[in-house]
Formats: sequence, C-alpha cells, structure tokens
Amino acid sequence: GQNIDQPTEMTATEGAIVQINCTYQTSGFNGLFWYQQHAGEAPTFLSYNVLDGLEEKGRFSSFLSRSKGYSYLLLKELQMKDSASYLCAVIDSNYQLIWGAGTKLIIKP
Amino acid sequence: DGGITQSPKYLFRKEGQNVTLSCEQNLNHDAMYWYRQDPGQGLRLIYYSQIVNDFQKGDIAEGYSVSREKKESFPLTVTSAQKNPTAFYLCASSNQPGQPSSPLHFGNGTRLTVT
Repeated sequence: GQNIDQPTEMTATEGAIVQINCTYQTSGFNGLFWYQQHAGEAPTFLSYNVLDGLEEKGRFSSFLSRSKGYSYLLLKELQMKDSASYLCAVIDSNYQLIWGAGTKLIIKP
Repeated sequence: DGGITQSPKYLFRKEGQNVTLSCEQNLNHDAMYWYRQDPGQGLRLIYYSQIVNDFQKGDIAEGYSVSREKKESFPLTVTSAQKNPTAFYLCASSNQPGQPSSPLHFGNGTRLTVT
C-alpha cells in the first residue's frame, strides 16, 4: 500500500528552527507538496519539490531525497503565527495525490 | 479577490437526512475536488471534476454525490447512505489539472456534524 509518515505533533520555541520530516512509500513519484493549515482553515501551498535538493523560500525551506523517500520542511526564525498543521502530500505514478496525516506544530514563547 | 467559498462553515443534520455542501470558485479553474479530513488521517478524495458536466469518483465516493453544471460550482451532497458523515469537508480547485506541480487552492471548509 501507499503510505506517508509524519510526526503527529512537534513543539518549538519562538525564534528557533524546526524541521518537520516526511517519509513516503508510494507507487512511483511525481513530486511532493507541503501545505500549511491553521486550525479550521484552508490548507495553503508552501512548496513543491520534484528534484533532489533544497528549495528555499524566505523563512521556509523544503528538502527532498527521492532515493530515501524522504522530505523535510525547515522553518527558521519561528513566529507564533507558524503554529499550524503542516501537511505533506506525494503525487504517485497515476498522478494521484497521497496525503500524510499532518504534523501539528506548537510554538511556545 | 479570487478564491474558493464554501458554505456554510458549520452544518448540523439529523441522521437519515441528505445535506448539500456548497463550493463556489471565481478563480476560473477547470478542475475542482472534494476532500474529507478526519483527525489523525490524511485528506481523502471523495470526487473530482476536470471539466464541466464531467466528474469522477475518488477513493471514498460511496454515500456521496456531486454535480458540475457550471465551471464555478461543485456542490457535494452527503446522502443518508454515508455511514460516518461527521467530518471536515474541504473543496479545492486547480488551474492546470494535468500539470503535477500545479498546487491546489482550498476553501475554508465545512464542518458537518450528523447526530
């Protein structure tokens, strides 16, 4: 079967750095998305990776290793507004999106 | 300002009743999707539509129905046949459904509670 694993919950301190991991086992791979979702709101697009390596966008960076079936989202200079769930999703060989259950990130002052 | 509007935000129904969730977009996107989100699980695809008057079942279509009579609108009906309908429902759209890198744009969701 197809599977995406993310930690259920993480806690970090305001101003610090946090890395949220995502490992996947899917039938094929055509890209990986990260989305941010505040409680009760719409998920919003953060990043898309299809090639190995690091993509940086301001305070957020996303890394992909296709050989290891692994990605991470790196958040720097954490702010209270970064408290949210972070969803990892993989596009499989049939171009279907497979979603992880999300990681709830709690930021403490 | 373009976006996706889902209404209502909260919906309560008695068991055995059908209920329709609204989804409207003014992004001029061709493709629209309905997902269900439950605690501890990833988003699950209910139905999707890539063009007007056409739609396909997703992974968990049983007990649900949709229509796509207009490009802007993709309502979802939760029927009494759906065994566990209480959930958070998300509507999404995409402007390039054949392009893998094209991200989904989501509405703010409807939380349905059936008792």
